[in-house]
Amino acid sequence: KQEVTQIPAALSVPEGENLVLNCSFTDSAIYNLQWFRQDPGKGLTSLLLIQSSQREQTSGRLNASLDKSSGRSTLYIAASQPGDSATYLCAVGFRTLTFGKGTMLLVSP
Amino acid sequence: DVKVTQSSRYLVKRTGEKVFLECVQDMDHENMFWYRQDPGLGLRLIYFSYDVKMKEKGDIPEGYSVSREKKERFSLILESASTNQTSMYLCASSATREEETQYFGPGTRLLVL
Repeated sequence: KQEVTQIPAALSVPEGENLVLNCSFTDSAIYNLQWFRQDPGKGLTSLLLIQSSQREQTSGRLNASLDKSSGRSTLYIAASQPGDSATYLCAVGFRTLTFGKGTMLLVSP
Repeated sequence: DVKVTQSSRYLVKRTGEKVFLECVQDMDHENMFWYRQDPGLGLRLIYFSYDVKMKEKGDIPEGYSVSREKKERFSLILESASTNQTSMYLCASSATREEETQYFGPGTRLLVL
């Protein structure tokens, strides 16, 4: 059964810092990997989707990479802002998604 | 923009009550999903559906059932609510089996007393 682990569980950084969130998965036969953002008490917002044939995706200050052979993905956030404070979730799957437990990010002004 | 709406943001129910959670999407998506989210356990899939009147069990279907009579609407039913079903319930939809971008609703926070 697929297991998804996210490290660290929580991260606190000052505004302007570049940061990396990590996601690892046990079964490399994945189809897609998706990164989400969740604000407290809210639903999830899709940030980036990497299909299994791709190695990375970029959107604005966000860059996500995928290394299927090592079972890892990273989400890079450039020049972090207080508005980036949220929980970031990684999910992998074919047809249905298995989620990690998330990294809670706090960006201080 | 894709919009997924859920009938209630907050619900308080009594143990033993039958509870209906409604989810509607407006983008003609084939796939719909119900998750619950609990501290320390993350998101867990309860049920999903790839077509009208079709349903498949997820990881934790016990105590729940679903209904999909129309493509845009997917209902989660708690047959007899119990306190261990107190949770945040999230509905999601996606367009095709191959493209797994899932779009989520705002969630329903259910408290069972």
